[in-house]
Amino acid sequence: NAGVTQTPKFQVLKTGQSMTLQCAQDMNHNSMYWYRQDPGMGLRLIYYSASEGTTDKGEVPNGYNVSRLNKREFSLRLESAAPSQTSVYFCASSEAGRAYNEQFFGPGTRLTVL
Amino acid sequence: GENVEQHPSTLSVQEGDSAVIKCTYSDSASNYFPWYKQELGKGPQLIIDIRSNVGEKKDQRIAVTLNKTAKHFSLHITETQPEDSAVYFCAAISSGTYKYIFGTGTRLKVLA
Repeated sequence: NAGVTQTPKFQVLKTGQSMTLQCAQDMNHNSMYWYRQDPGMGLRLIYYSASEGTTDKGEVPNGYNVSRLNKREFSLRLESAAPSQTSVYFCASSEAGRAYNEQFFGPGTRLTVL
Repeated sequence: GENVEQHPSTLSVQEGDSAVIKCTYSDSASNYFPWYKQELGKGPQLIIDIRSNVGEKKDQRIAVTLNKTAKHFSLHITETQPEDSAVYFCAAISSGTYKYIFGTGTRLKVLA
């Protein structure tokens, strides 16, 4: 039982390049999330998927797109990377998108945009 | 909008001493307050949580207290050990919503 896995672990991009961050969970969870973590700012929600086939914007969605490929997988795409997107990105999942449901986090992807 | 303030941003304690981290939330509809621990190079992991109908919850060396009137909640770690060194995040969530509002984190260092 691997929990939540993310690829890649590290990535360096040049401004304007695109890339997709991959996330998968093997806990049969319905809800999945993408966060970014910046120094002094905690974790901020980028996008959320309550269930397969649905996605919603979070607090900081600009510059990102997501795809809920199936129940297991939730990807985050940067179409044209900017230095402001340099951050550590975490994927998380929970049994359902409600309070009282623990969110399980992946190990993170450290992204640098030059 | 909703906001969670967390203090202090860094905290150093001697091994065996207690550590207290405090959070204040703004949304009066918040009714679930988890605490996450993030070790270096890893994702956050839930360590304890409390619901709004409870004032205090303990789990071995860690405890969380909630004051709904003042919109404060705190994490207490007793008999700290070097393995408690990590970044701790509080969060507040409103019933019926998916949206966790995280605090900005506290870096705890336990000095041997």
